[in-house]
Amino acid sequence: AQSVTQPDARVTVSEGASLQLRCKYSYSATPYLFWYVQYPRQGLQLLLKYYSGDPVVQGVNGFEAEFSKSNSSFHLRKASVHWSDSAVYFCAVSNYGNEKITFGAGTKLTIKP
Amino acid sequence: AQTIHQWPVAEIKAVGSPLSLGCTIKGKSSPNLYWYWQATGGTLQQLFYSITVGQVESVVQLNLSASRPKDDQFILSTEKLLLSHSGFYLCAWSLLWASQNTLYFGAGTRLSVL
Repeated sequence: AQSVTQPDARVTVSEGASLQLRCKYSYSATPYLFWYVQYPRQGLQLLLKYYSGDPVVQGVNGFEAEFSKSNSSFHLRKASVHWSDSAVYFCAVSNYGNEKITFGAGTKLTIKP
Repeated sequence: AQTIHQWPVAEIKAVGSPLSLGCTIKGKSSPNLYWYWQATGGTLQQLFYSITVGQVESVVQLNLSASRPKDDQFILSTEKLLLSHSGFYLCAWSLLWASQNTLYFGAGTRLSVL
């Protein structure tokens, strides 16, 4: 069965600092990986997704993520965070031709002024 | 442009009462539709999905049912609410397989069961 672990429930970063949010997945075949963001009292929005090819994928608002098969990871990064990046970030995994998507527990990001 | 509308925005209901939540997608023909549940401060649990009118697949039941009476409408319901049903319900749509495509979420319905 596929699973996703986001080991950090909460992360606090100063505005302008760099960011990494961790995601580890468990799946036997090559997974489809996603990062979604949820702003307060809203639905989720896609930041980026990875299927194959270049392990570093670019997303919206300056976010990128790096896929590592050897580490079973898909960490999210941003070079310089802004206060508006405060939100909950979810990593998700699925497999080809399957309607089931498994989400991690989420990481709540707080940006300090 | 595609829009997804969920109703109601919020509900406060008594244990044992019935519930009906709705979701409508405009601007997209024959989307795949999904219901997710999110406990307060928790992750998302996929409940149901539908790839065509009249067909709904259950992922996790939680004493809830879903129906797709029209191509653009997805309904989540139960005849008897439990305390454990409280949380945030999200409807989403995608093109073809969700595993390969972006999920587009509605703004959600916040349900409090007392």
